[in-house]
Amino acid sequence: DAKTTQPNSMESNEEEPVHLPCNHSTISGTDYIHWYRQLPSQGPEYVIHGLTSNVNNRMASLAIAEDRKSSTLILHRATLRDAAVYYCILTGGATNKLIFGTGTLLAVQP
Amino acid sequence: GAVVSQHPSWVICKSGTSVKIECRSLDFQATTMFWYRQFPKQSLMLMATSNEGSKATYEQGVEKDKFLINHASLTLSTLTVTSAHPEDSSFYICSARVTGHPNYGYTFGSGTRLTVV
Repeated sequence: DAKTTQPNSMESNEEEPVHLPCNHSTISGTDYIHWYRQLPSQGPEYVIHGLTSNVNNRMASLAIAEDRKSSTLILHRATLRDAAVYYCILTGGATNKLIFGTGTLLAVQP
Repeated sequence: GAVVSQHPSWVICKSGTSVKIECRSLDFQATTMFWYRQFPKQSLMLMATSNEGSKATYEQGVEKDKFLINHASLTLSTLTVTSAHPEDSSFYICSARVTGHPNYGYTFGSGTRLTVV
């Protein structure tokens, strides 16, 4: 399974944008880039996913580098409820199973 | 849409007993479900892939005789922790891939906190 690298932790202030980076230099052409987040004592929650083009939804935006070796999850205005561990995961292959890395713990300050 | 319901949300059991955790897809059919466990302050570790109507595929190092997985229908997968011991205490989470819903990807249950005393 292709591996991703994320910073262990990041901090943001409330109502400011947050850019969460992810490196995936060994990504293959058919791998999708998924982002999930997990609040304490809850199951992970889907945030966004993409293949090649940038993606936007009501929760966030996903910016994918042209060579696809990195991506950035963008939260346009962080709220206290966005404090969570954010996981960047690649999927592909026959099983399409999600293998979680260590993720980025996002702290949001009021 | 695309909701996975997981029960119970928490359970306390005595050492040596078995515990069953259920995972149901409420508004879609899940031919494949995944089971994870998570220890405090750690990431999710994939335990097994559950396929409807066939045997589960276990990840390396996961004891298939201890963690019994049954996926008898397109909407239900169960994980039974047999002869539980305190080291099995963990947060167990199920997941399903939502095919046909490109905006959903994978959806997760809310998790089951197992404490073995």
